[in-house]
Amino acid sequence: DIQMTQSPSSLSASVGDRVTITCRASQSISRDLNWYQQKPGKAPKVLIHDVSSLQSGVPSRFSGSGSGTDFTLTISSLQPEDFATYYCQQSYTTPPTFGPGTKVDI
Amino acid sequence: QLQLQESGPGLVKPSVTLSLTCTVSGGSISSSNYYWGWIRQPPGKGLEWIASIYYSGSTYYNPSLENRVTISVDTSKNQFSLELRSVSAADTAVYYCAGSDGAILNFDYWGQGTLVTVSS
Repeated sequence: DIQMTQSPSSLSASVGDRVTITCRASQSISRDLNWYQQKPGKAPKVLIHDVSSLQSGVPSRFSGSGSGTDFTLTISSLQPEDFATYYCQQSYTTPPTFGPGTKVDI
Repeated sequence: QLQLQESGPGLVKPSVTLSLTCTVSGGSISSSNYYWGWIRQPPGKGLEWIASIYYSGSTYYNPSLENRVTISVDTSKNQFSLELRSVSAADTAVYYCAGSDGAILNFDYWGQGTLVTVSS
């Protein structure tokens, strides 16, 4: 299986901050990398697919970059509704695997 | 817009078979656009893909669970289902059904999730 790691595991930030989350794959996954946001008690919601393609309806303050094994999710100006846990997921091969998550809180 | 809703028991005893169903609305489960799958999340932990299926019946399983899992689709009811055999406390989790729009390993649509507790 392809192992996904994320850093940091948690971070504290304030409204308006620029936030960057890193995701690393144990082998090259080309650009087959998705990002999800999960709020407590809710299902994950896809933010970005294929590294940098914003899902319809997702605010433009979210962006993604990277290729191969190293990827980043950036929130350009953190909003109150962005406090959540973020997961990366590789869709390169089965089984699809998720990172352990990054919790963003105040 | 697709909507998915899980249904099934909230509590099951160890060693039995867990059965969950996902009802799809807002679209046809037989559409060639979509793949359907199950993902679970133990309390306070991360996400684990279980299995996926295409309406034609093609199935894809996580090797770590493959010997205990069956995924199936019922096009007449616009539903797909999961069976997990010989459950143990380690299978306690929120189970999500999900749909992907064109790419089997993407998860674009999610149900709200259902908590299944394995306990005697």
